[in-house]
Amino acid sequence: AQTVTQSQPEMSVQEAETVTLSCTYDTSESNYYLFWYKQPPSRQMILVIRQEAYKQQNATENRFSVNFQKAAKSFSLKISDSQLGDTAMYFCAFMKWSNYKLTFGKGTLLTVNP
Amino acid sequence: EAGVVQSPRYKIIEKKQPVAFWCNPISGHNTLYWYRQNLGQGPELLIRYENEEAVDDSQLPKDRFSAERLKGVDSTLKIQPAELGDSAVYLCASSSGEPMNTEAFFGQGTRLTVV
Repeated sequence: AQTVTQSQPEMSVQEAETVTLSCTYDTSESNYYLFWYKQPPSRQMILVIRQEAYKQQNATENRFSVNFQKAAKSFSLKISDSQLGDTAMYFCAFMKWSNYKLTFGKGTLLTVNP
Repeated sequence: EAGVVQSPRYKIIEKKQPVAFWCNPISGHNTLYWYRQNLGQGPELLIRYENEEAVDDSQLPKDRFSAERLKGVDSTLKIQPAELGDSAVYLCASSSGEPMNTEAFFGQGTRLTVV
C-alpha cells in the first residue's frame, strides 16, 4: 500500500517570503502521479501543482514549484513570494498510474503572516 | 462549467439515525471518489467508482455505510445507523479517468455532525 507522509503539521511564513513544505511517500510503483492540493478555510480542495513520475523536470506553476526526487521518494512544494491568500492546509497526494487511486498525507497548515 | 456539486452542505443528526449525501460529478468524468476527512486530518478514501462499478471499497465500513452510482453519473453515500464517530466532512471528487488528465476535482463537502 502507498503511504504519504507530511512531517510538518504546521508552518508559518512572512508575507513575500519563501517557504518549503515537505512530503515523502512510499511505493513500489514505477509510474505514478504526485499532487499538491490546497484547502482554504472554505474547505474546497484545489489542485496547486502536479508532477508525473516519469518526468525528470520539476513542475512549476507561477509562484509554486516542486522539488521531485524520485530515488529519495521526496516531493516538496516551494511557495515563493508568499501571499496572505496562501494561508490554507496543504496536502500532498499520490496517485497510482494503474488504477487512479488517490492517497493523501495528513496535511500541513500554512499560515502567512502580514 | 459547473464543478462537483454536493448536498447538503451541513447535516446534524442524532446517533442511530440514517443520513444520505449526494454528489453530482463533473460531466463526462468516469471516476468518482468519496472521502471522509476528520478535523485536522487528510482525506481518507471510502470508495472509488469507475463508471457504475465500485472498484475500490476496501475502506468502506460496510456494516453501516453504503454507496451507489446509478447510470455512472450521480452518487449517493448513506450511513445507517450513524454513530458519534461518523462526525466528519464527507468529500466527493471526480476525475476524467484519462491517463494524461488525472486531476481530481473536489466538491465543497458535507459536514456531518452526529449528536
